[in-house]
Amino acid sequence: EAAVTQSPRNKVAVTGGKVTLSCNQTNNHNNMYWYRQDTGHGLRLIHYSYGAGSTEKGDIPDGYKASRPSQENFSLILELATPSQTSVYFCASGGGLGYNYAEQFFGPGTRLTVL
Amino acid sequence: AQRVTQVQPTGSSQWGEEVTLDCSYETSEYFYRIFWYRQLFSGEMVFLIYQPSFDTQNQRSGRYSVVFQKSFKSISLVISASQPEDSGTYFCALSELISNYQLIWGSGTKLIIKP
Repeated sequence: EAAVTQSPRNKVAVTGGKVTLSCNQTNNHNNMYWYRQDTGHGLRLIHYSYGAGSTEKGDIPDGYKASRPSQENFSLILELATPSQTSVYFCASGGGLGYNYAEQFFGPGTRLTVL
Repeated sequence: AQRVTQVQPTGSSQWGEEVTLDCSYETSEYFYRIFWYRQLFSGEMVFLIYQPSFDTQNQRSGRYSVVFQKSFKSISLVISASQPEDSGTYFCALSELISNYQLIWGSGTKLIIKP
């Protein structure tokens, strides 16, 4: 069954530490997205990718890097984590064929706490 | 300025009643889509329905339908015969062709269906 998975599901990090969040999709979608969700906000786009080797900045990219080494995998990297990056992070894939191109399929989310 | 607005942060209804959730958006594009997702209390994001801008017919999927008022840039999600398992947070999102259908999210409406 096609799916988007994320690891880890929960992470506690220290300020200044490096954090890597991983996402894998078996939908064979070209597009992948990283969002964060905070109370009172909808999802906000951090980085996205149109295919292996490509990454693009979203609406709130500061403090984050992304890596897309393959069609299936998309990582979000916090080089120097800060408490303001405490949030729930969602990965999504999209860009299916034809009429459903715009629909996005979401992973279960990663809850990150930076102390 | 927010481009997608959901003015109802919370709502409630009784089992079996019809529920309407409102969303307004800003766009100058001709080709766009409005998506509705539900976020379960577990955090999982579930796709419900979408409305293409060029389709004058209100979309319907099972107990979900939309009332699309294009000239007012407004769309409502209608849930018929609501059930307690419909509880969750409902998000609408704008997707424009010009931005390769990236999703711009509203802040959500938390809905509780009482038995």
